[in-house]
Amino acid sequence: AQSVTQLGSHVSVSEGALVLLRCNYSSSVPPYLFWYVQYPNQGLQLLLKYTSAATLVKGINGFEAEFKKSETSFHLTKPSAHMSDAAEYFCAVSDFPSRGNTPLVFGKGTRLSVIA
Amino acid sequence: GAGVSQSPSNKVTEKGKDVELRCDPISGHTALYWYRQSLGQGLEFLIYFQGNSAPDKSGLPSDRFSAERTGGSVSTLTIQRTQQEDSAVYLCASSSAGTSTDTQYFGPGTRLTVL
Repeated sequence: AQSVTQLGSHVSVSEGALVLLRCNYSSSVPPYLFWYVQYPNQGLQLLLKYTSAATLVKGINGFEAEFKKSETSFHLTKPSAHMSDAAEYFCAVSDFPSRGNTPLVFGKGTRLSVIA
Repeated sequence: GAGVSQSPSNKVTEKGKDVELRCDPISGHTALYWYRQSLGQGLEFLIYFQGNSAPDKSGLPSDRFSAERTGGSVSTLTIQRTQQEDSAVYLCASSSAGTSTDTQYFGPGTRLTVL
């Protein structure tokens, strides 16, 4: 089965600083990869997804991620952090084709804190 | 349009009781998923419905857990004889066609507390 590893359960950045959240995947075939954000007491919201088109994927709220096959990575970045970015971020892989269907396999999550 | 809705938002129950959690997916979405989010286990897949096909129950942790989807729309997740380890947030998601690249849209979740 496929899996994702998010390095760092908690990341803290200053407002205006670069945000870098790390995600590595394990897969024997090119995966489909997703980043979701979860604000307190809310469900998950899709930030962006990689589906084997462009390797640099742009998402909502100024976030982007780059698929690097050689590094099996899909790190999430944002040039300048805003206070409203404080949330939990989840990297996920579509568990395909091993399962033949499409549940998502999630990483453990990274909590982003933004310091004024 | 309306997103995925779940009810109740919070549920407190006593150990050994049965509970039912409801999910209303986005209208027209054929795929529906249940996930569980807990501190120790993170986000785990539970069950998946796609159209009229038999559901994929491979993520259900025990036979105390079951789910149904009536009329291809609303889904109910039932937990029988609840245990304290069932305490978690139960998230429902739906997608338009259930393919690997589809976006899954999540509801706000039901927080279950088993005393």
